[in-house]
Amino acid sequence: EAQVTQNPRYLITVTGKKLTVTCSQNMNHEYMSWYRQDPGLGLRQIYYSMNVEVTDKGDVPEGYKVSRKEKRNFPLILESPSPNQTSLYFCASSSKQGIDEKLFFGSGTQLSVL
Amino acid sequence: QQQVKQSPQSLIVQKGGISIINCAYENTAFDYFPWYQQFPGKGPALLIAIRPDVSEKKEGRFTISFNKSAKQFSLHIMDSQPGDSATYFCAAGEVCPDMRFGAGTRLTVKP
Repeated sequence: EAQVTQNPRYLITVTGKKLTVTCSQNMNHEYMSWYRQDPGLGLRQIYYSMNVEVTDKGDVPEGYKVSRKEKRNFPLILESPSPNQTSLYFCASSSKQGIDEKLFFGSGTQLSVL
Repeated sequence: QQQVKQSPQSLIVQKGGISIINCAYENTAFDYFPWYQQFPGKGPALLIAIRPDVSEKKEGRFTISFNKSAKQFSLHIMDSQPGDSATYFCAAGEVCPDMRFGAGTRLTVKP
């Protein structure tokens, strides 16, 4: 089954404790991206990647890191989490097919930073 | 600074009615305009999308209307059903992974 898998689904942590949210896709997609979803603000892009070893900042990259060492994986790293990073995070992947491009989203990671 | 502005924030419609959600964008380089549907506890999923070479696209009960000169586009849901109750996001961009999303509209369709 074609899917984007994020782990963990829920995470509670404390300020300053480094964490990683994993994201993996099994569709051989070139493109991957991370979003955070906050009430009233919608989905805001954190980082995106057009291919292996190629990453670019989105609209809200501060406090986050990403890496794309393999095509299928795109982990999100919070080196020193702060309470304002409490949010619902989504990983997505896509491949340009025909004239319609489509983002496939994971099921989300609910992060709480205390 | 929101590059894509979406309204309304919430919408309540009676079953069988028409739901209309509007979006406006600023960047004239954007040339791909999808709508995503999100159910509670799930990630967003593509519903319908349009490119600026057409002014309207219809798929079943869902229609996108696009006004390039006004930099606006809207989603119309005809014969709205309770199963359509979800959060809807418009988006815009040049390349698929680099998409900008609106703030979302929570649609409730009352039976």
